[in-house]
Amino acid sequence: DAGITQSPRHKVTETGTPVTLRCHQTENHRYMYWYRQDPGHGLRLIHYSYGVKDTDKGEVSDGYSVSRSKTEDFLLTLESATSSQTSVYFCAIKGSGVLSGNTIYFGEGSWLTVV
Amino acid sequence: GIQVEQSPPDLILQEGANSTLRCNFSDSVNNLQWFHQNPWGQLINLFYIPSGTKQNGRLSATTVATERYSLLYISSSQTTDSGVYFCADNLEGGSQGNLIFGKGTKLSVKP
Repeated sequence: DAGITQSPRHKVTETGTPVTLRCHQTENHRYMYWYRQDPGHGLRLIHYSYGVKDTDKGEVSDGYSVSRSKTEDFLLTLESATSSQTSVYFCAIKGSGVLSGNTIYFGEGSWLTVV
Repeated sequence: GIQVEQSPPDLILQEGANSTLRCNFSDSVNNLQWFHQNPWGQLINLFYIPSGTKQNGRLSATTVATERYSLLYISSSQTTDSGVYFCADNLEGGSQGNLIFGKGTKLSVKP
């Protein structure tokens, strides 16, 4: 358990509405990530952060924005949700320390349905 | 970009059987990791193993970086081992969390 909490865990929203998913971690990890998982595509990186206010794009960043105003929170925003953004969203952190420095740990996922 | 191929895509075992899952990479191995996704969707990191061999209980993993493959061994399988097993690695020079995932091996362990 890497102390990662995602919220909400499940959400149904309408096309065109904004949606924000929150990832909260309690262990002061520097690196945080947002992935999406879809049948046939597997897990793909959306955005990641390497520190407060330091973020970068991943493989599938179009339609998404992120913010990290403090170490413990990494927010993923869908400015105007579309049906193609129906997916399971996973937050992840990179471990730190000698034993787990490069190990990636995932949160429990957020199921988002856009109707 | 890097290609990650996993085999077999599906595997059905009787409880107590052993199995070997394989992961091949098209490029050099950097930060190879194995994950288990249980039937409830939870992703658990099993091993961080860029090279060598590690063991954790009934699971062990070996990565031969020079030959660009990794193996995950499951011994004396249990029904709780069911789920999808993913291997993943990141692009050389890229962020270590920018993982490229294989399509997974779906394991079903029957009682």
